[in-house]
Amino acid sequence: EAGVAQSPRYKIIEKRQSVAFWCNPISGHATLYWYQQILGQGPKLLIQFQNNGVVDDSQLPKDRFSAERLKGVDSTLKIQPAKLEDSAVYLCASSLLRGGYPSTDTQYFGPGTRLTVL
Amino acid sequence: QQQVKQSPQSLIVQKGGISIINCAYENTAFDYFPWYQQFPGKGPALLIAIRPDVSEKKEGRFTISFNKSAKQFSLHIMDSQPGDSATYFCGCSGAGSYQLTFGKGTKLSVIP
Repeated sequence: EAGVAQSPRYKIIEKRQSVAFWCNPISGHATLYWYQQILGQGPKLLIQFQNNGVVDDSQLPKDRFSAERLKGVDSTLKIQPAKLEDSAVYLCASSLLRGGYPSTDTQYFGPGTRLTVL
Repeated sequence: QQQVKQSPQSLIVQKGGISIINCAYENTAFDYFPWYQQFPGKGPALLIAIRPDVSEKKEGRFTISFNKSAKQFSLHIMDSQPGDSATYFCGCSGAGSYQLTFGKGTKLSVIP
């Protein structure tokens, strides 16, 4: 079974530029997550989709970050304009969404995109 | 407000020894407690998880101990191997919510 795919793997940009990340979840997974992982810290949820609807975007800096999941499959996360503090690894994860306890739904992570803002 | 506190930040263990990583949480609504393992350049991967209705769960060399009254849980790695060298994150999620809150991570180094 193919895992979560992300591209690009690395990106270096100047501050105030824009950047976009792409994620393709595991086939059949209804829920997709974007996390930000700053060096030395645990992943922090930015946004969560269920199919193509947003479930939780409470920690997404909406003045500069946006995300979409068209057709309920792959997703893009955009930053415009980027700031120095956006330097981090951006992780995409997906989960199956089975019935019962949603909080126990295993999240499968992609390898991430390492963003450096200069 | 840091909802999940993980310790230690780093840990060095001899091969064959026991590695112990601890997490403490504040939100009593949390009802699912996974541990994730992350190797450099990779995304985190689920290692083992526990629900609060049991006090211990064991899978191979990995054991989670859970203390509901103290709001603490820990990961024990028995017979630690160099291949276990990675960063470990504890996580917590709440009833009916998908959101997973992670600790800051523990970098484990197992030396021969």
